[in-house]
Amino acid sequence: GAVVSQHPSRVICKSGTSVKIECRSLDFQATTMFWYRQFPKQSLMLMATSNEGSKATYEQGVEKDKFLINHASLTLSTLTVTSAHPEDSSFYICSARRQGAGSNQPQHFGDGTRLSIL
Amino acid sequence: GNSVTQMEGPVTLSEEAFLTINCTYTATGYPSLFWYVQYPGEGLQLLLKATKADDKGSNKGFEATYRKETTSFHLEKGSVQVSDSAVYFCALYGGATNKLIFGTGTLLAVQP
Repeated sequence: GAVVSQHPSRVICKSGTSVKIECRSLDFQATTMFWYRQFPKQSLMLMATSNEGSKATYEQGVEKDKFLINHASLTLSTLTVTSAHPEDSSFYICSARRQGAGSNQPQHFGDGTRLSIL
Repeated sequence: GNSVTQMEGPVTLSEEAFLTINCTYTATGYPSLFWYVQYPGEGLQLLLKATKADDKGSNKGFEATYRKETTSFHLEKGSVQVSDSAVYFCALYGGATNKLIFGTGTLLAVQP
């Protein structure tokens, strides 16, 4: 089946550091990828929609300059948390939709990245 | 706007018990409905889906039927196992928002 790889799975770093998270679709091309944030014991919050070759679409309340998204190819999207602070600590999950798939087709999720800022 | 409401957990069951996790939705038009499962420390995996009214999604012994008249998509399994312990998310996709909308998740704990 479709596989989405997310790397790294866990990051622990000091406050002020910028952290890059990669999301790759391993066996299909994805024109659209999604980035979610999950707080403890809560549901997933969509942060932004990443479109290959164009700017990401951010949800209301998500800082574009804080969470930089790049979708340079049909198999890779990156999320960079710039100058991370403890309040950015969270579980970040990406997902991808297969190129050409209709809107009723499921997204395929990565295993998530646990970000901990000290 | 679109929304999903699912029963709060945790749901604690003994092995081989019957499982129901309720999910209802609000949406314009005809959304697609999904159940995702998240095992501890992992991302989400699609469990099953239904794309139109009266469709039944099924996988690994889990079932859910798309009920438009009650706007529901309840998840059921006849006999749960310890390995089913996870968080289950109901979700919908459709309408003008072009987004996957999740419920808050229900933690299922199955005891031997």
